[in-house]
Amino acid sequence: AQSVSQHNHHVILSEAASLELGCNYSYGGTVNLFWYVQYPGQHLQLLLKYFSGDPLVKGIKGFEAEFIKSKFSFNLRKPSVQWSDTAEYFCAVIYTGRRALTFGSGTRLQVQP
Amino acid sequence: DGGITQSPKYLFRKEGQNVTLSCEQNLNHDAMYWYRQDPGQGLRLIYYSQIVNDFQKGDIAEGYSVSREKKESFPLTVTSAQKNPTAFYLCASRISGGDTDTQYFGPGTRLTVL
Repeated sequence: AQSVSQHNHHVILSEAASLELGCNYSYGGTVNLFWYVQYPGQHLQLLLKYFSGDPLVKGIKGFEAEFIKSKFSFNLRKPSVQWSDTAEYFCAVIYTGRRALTFGSGTRLQVQP
Repeated sequence: DGGITQSPKYLFRKEGQNVTLSCEQNLNHDAMYWYRQDPGQGLRLIYYSQIVNDFQKGDIAEGYSVSREKKESFPLTVTSAQKNPTAFYLCASRISGGDTDTQYFGPGTRLTVL
C-alpha cells in the first residue's frame, strides 16, 4: 500500500538550532511531494512542494526540502529555527493516478526560547 | 475574501445521531476533499469529489456520506454507523489545470461524541 513515513514524532529544539525532519514514501511511480504546517489554532498551510525540476525546493519562512529519488525521501530543513516555528509538520504525497494526498503521521516541533 | 469555510468550528453529538459538517469554498475549485485528523495518525482521506454530482470513497469512508450538488459545497454527514467519530475534520479543495495537485485547507471542525 502507498504510504508516507515520518520518523520523528516529536522534536524539541532550542532557538537557532538547525532542523531536519525526515519523510520517506513508498514506491509508487511518479509522485508530487508536499510539506504542510499546522500552527497552533490555525489552518493547515502549504510550506513547499516539489513537482519536477531542481530537487532542492525552497518554501516560505526559510524552509527548504530536498527530493532524493533513490532514497524515496523528501526531508524538510531549516538552518536556524525560531520560537514561531513551533507547529506540527506533515509530509504528503500524491501518487500517480490518485488525486488525493497521502499524509504522514506528522511531526510535532517544539522550539524553546 | 476567498477561501474555504467550515462550520461549525466545534460540534457535539450524542451517540446514535447523524450530524452534517459544512464545507464551502469560493475559490472556483473543481475538486473537494474531506480528511479526518487523529493525534499521531496524520490526515486520512474520507471522500473526495472531482466534479459536481460525482464523488469517490477514500481510505476510511465507512460510516460517512457526502453530496456534491453545487461546485461550492461539499457537506459531510457522519452517520451513527461510524464507530469512532470523535476527531478533527478538514475540508480541502484543489483547482483543475495548471498547478493541479496543490490542495488548500479549511479551518476544520472538531467533532466530539458524548
